[in-house]
Amino acid sequence: KNQVEQSPQSLIILEGKNCTLQCNYTVSPFSNLRWYKQDTGRGPVSLTIMTFSENTKSNGRYTATLDADTKQSSLHITASQLSDSASYICVVSAQTSYDKVIFGPGTSLSVIP
Amino acid sequence: DGGITQSPKYLFRKEGQNVTLSCEQNLNHDAMYWYRQDPGQGLRLIYYSQIVNDFQKGDIAEGYSVSREKKESFPLTVTSAQKNPTAFYLCASSPPWGNTEAFFGQGTRLTVV
Repeated sequence: KNQVEQSPQSLIILEGKNCTLQCNYTVSPFSNLRWYKQDTGRGPVSLTIMTFSENTKSNGRYTATLDADTKQSSLHITASQLSDSASYICVVSAQTSYDKVIFGPGTSLSVIP
Repeated sequence: DGGITQSPKYLFRKEGQNVTLSCEQNLNHDAMYWYRQDPGQGLRLIYYSQIVNDFQKGDIAEGYSVSREKKESFPLTVTSAQKNPTAFYLCASSPPWGNTEAFFGQGTRLTVV
């Protein structure tokens, strides 16, 4: 069964600290993995997208890693800011199929002063 | 200013009524999607459309209907047959999904009163 799991479910960190969010998936055949940021009450916004051959990709203070062998991905946030408070969603796509896009439940991150 | 627009942002419906959520995009994307988001769960696909005048059921299509008469528009009707319609609804569009980014609207929060 195609599944995407994320951990932790929620996280609270102090402003300026780093954090790492985890994503495990069983989607097959794998096409790509994306991380989205979703502010409360708004639509998700893409942070990174990685294909099978990519191990790491950065977008400012966000760095995503992918281990296709273990089917794990992480999103590392450096020097967190209050505006990083949001839900972070891992999304995995199966190859060449519009409907085989599996969303994880998200990790709710709260950055406090 | 290209993007995807959902309206209204908030919608209240009495039990037994049908209601239609609007989704418009000016990105010239072929594919459009409707997702439902419930607390603590990943987004679930309701319907998707790859091309004008064609659409396919997603994982939770029961109680919903769509149309795709124009490339720019993909309205979703929540019918009285949907037993638990209160949720946050997200519309998205993309070129053929593949490795390209999907753009989301800002969402519509539907509440049944």
